[in-house]
Amino acid sequence: AQKVTQAQTEISVVEKEDVTLDCVYETRDTTYYLFWYKQPPSGELVFLIRRNSFDEQNEISGRYSWNFQKSTSSFNFTITASQVVDSAVYFCALSETNVEYGNKLVFGAGTILRVKS
Amino acid sequence: DSGVTQTPKHLITATGQRVTLRCSPRSGDLSVYWYQQSLDQGLQFLIQYYNGEERAKGNILERFSAQQFPDLHSELNLSSLELGDSALYFCASSESWRSSYNSPLHFGNGTRLTVT
Repeated sequence: AQKVTQAQTEISVVEKEDVTLDCVYETRDTTYYLFWYKQPPSGELVFLIRRNSFDEQNEISGRYSWNFQKSTSSFNFTITASQVVDSAVYFCALSETNVEYGNKLVFGAGTILRVKS
Repeated sequence: DSGVTQTPKHLITATGQRVTLRCSPRSGDLSVYWYQQSLDQGLQFLIQYYNGEERAKGNILERFSAQQFPDLHSELNLSSLELGDSALYFCASSESWRSSYNSPLHFGNGTRLTVT
């Protein structure tokens, strides 16, 4: 069964520090998709990044970067030079291509990130 | 702005009542999903519709039902409400009915339901 584990419940950093959010997933599927979403205090869920299972190339997008390692089933997300506005709950999510499941996303429990000035 | 519109933003009602949550997907998106976010259960998938038809079902209670209309908007109906149904209900939409790199889910701002 699909499962996403975010072991870090809460992280506190000081502004300008780099911070990495961990995500470990379980799936039986060979083709799947991984996502990170952000939920700021205002409550909405904001799509951040995505990665498919057959592309392990790590990328950087502005202050965001991610490290996908299929061998360890991990999809970690790093914010460089954190800012107070980065304070939010961050969710890692997994989606399989199994016909039965449609496009269901399975979310981790979330990591609360607090960035202090 | 994700382009997904949910109404109302807040809803306060009493136990035993019935409410309807509404969602308009992004322009061009045919799939609509409903998720429930509560403190104890986290983000849970409820149900998916694609072009008017139910596509996938999650942990949706029998007291809950949903539908997607010809204009692609969707409604989630919650009946015989209990205190434990208090949660943030999200609607999301995507272009495709299947997972794809080019079809991530975009979420609305949610409807916060409080059952008293």
